[in-house]
Parts: sequence; C-alpha cells; structure tokens
Amino acid sequence: DGGITQSPKYLFRKEGQNVTLSCEQNLNHDAMYWYRQDPGQGLRLIYYSQIVNDFQKGDIAEGYSVSREKKESFPLTVTSAQKNPTAFYLCASTTTSGDFNEQFFGPGTRLTVL
Amino acid sequence: KNQVEQSPQSLIILEGKNCTLQCNYTVSPFSNLRWYKQDTGRGPVSLTIMTFSENTKSNGRYTATLDADTKQSSLHITASQLSDSASYICVVTAGREYGNKLVFGAGTILRVKS
Repeated sequence: DGGITQSPKYLFRKEGQNVTLSCEQNLNHDAMYWYRQDPGQGLRLIYYSQIVNDFQKGDIAEGYSVSREKKESFPLTVTSAQKNPTAFYLCASTTTSGDFNEQFFGPGTRLTVL
Repeated sequence: KNQVEQSPQSLIILEGKNCTLQCNYTVSPFSNLRWYKQDTGRGPVSLTIMTFSENTKSNGRYTATLDADTKQSSLHITASQLSDSASYICVVTAGREYGNKLVFGAGTILRVKS
C-alpha cells in the first residue's frame, strides 16, 4: 500500500461518539487526503492538506475534522455531527511537484456505527 | 458538472477470457486519466495513467485506451486470472485551474470464475 498506513482496520462507534482514524505516510509526500467510499459511489473527498499546519475542506467535510501537525500524519476525526458515518475511509498522499502525480492510497479503515 | 461514468457496474467472466471495461467522462478541463485496481477491503492501486495526447497505455495484461475527443476510455484485460477479481476505478484529473481535482467513477466490479 505504498508506504501509507491506516489504523485501525475496523472501527465500531456508538452513536454520539467521536472517533479518530489514523493515517501515517513515510513517502515524504507533501499532500495528504481523506476520502469516503460508499457502495455504488465514487470516492468523495472529505479534507485535504497540501502542507503542514494547513488543510482545506473537500466536498463532504461536514461532521468531520482533521489536523496536520506533522508532515507524516493526517488524522481524521468523525464527530457525532456526522449523521451517516458508516463507510470505508481511505487516506492518500502525493507529491505537489509536477502535474501527473499519482495518489498513493492506504489500506483503509471500515467504520461501522452500532 | 464534472462526472465519470463507468460501465458495466459488475461483470463475471471465466478465467482465461478477455474483457473490456468502459469509462465516459465530462470533466473539463482535462489533465489526465488513471485506472485503479481495488481489491476488496484494500486501497486502490494505480494501473495506468494517460494524458490527452496518449491513445493507449499497457501494463502487462492491462491495456487502457483514451479518446479525448469523445471523452471515453476503456480498460482491456487479456487472459484474465482469478487474481484480477477486483473493482476497477476510472479517475479523471481536472486541470490545474481546478486545483488538479480528482473525479472518481463508481467502479466496475469484476469477478473471474474458474
């Protein structure tokens, strides 16, 4: 999975709880991304970060929060405000130089709300 | 609206047979198009990338084609193997004017039977 790790692989959350998904990369990539994958739909961008201490909302940021305190790490918190959080979450990273940069994906975290 | 449509949604073929997956897009301006392979419960892995000036790109038994005029791409798999069973995702990158945003198709689920 290209030097990107995500943990845990499976996560169960009770309604009303906040949970944090971990994403770490050792590829020295500047940019990192969080996507949500639902059955029958394409990946949707939640948040992205082009540089340390800076991040931007994606298409479906409501109910999620992120931080980027270190280049290697980009944790995602799923808050109780996210009404339908059950999904497969993918983290990705890429360099910011050049125009045809491949996004390398982690193995994913499957979050289930009980 | 920038969209990527893939067909068929799912496909079952016998081991050793060939198959072709389709991708139509309306993303503009266009930068590049990638095909990713995603095994169940894993992150996507890039198979090929093509810019607007490229008509075909091969990676082993995988051959991708691109017609930038009609905004269509296909992924041809030759002599399929059981390990080809996966979801195949078409991803189009919008131009730099749109921040090199990635637009994902919903994927085609391929099952290879023995």
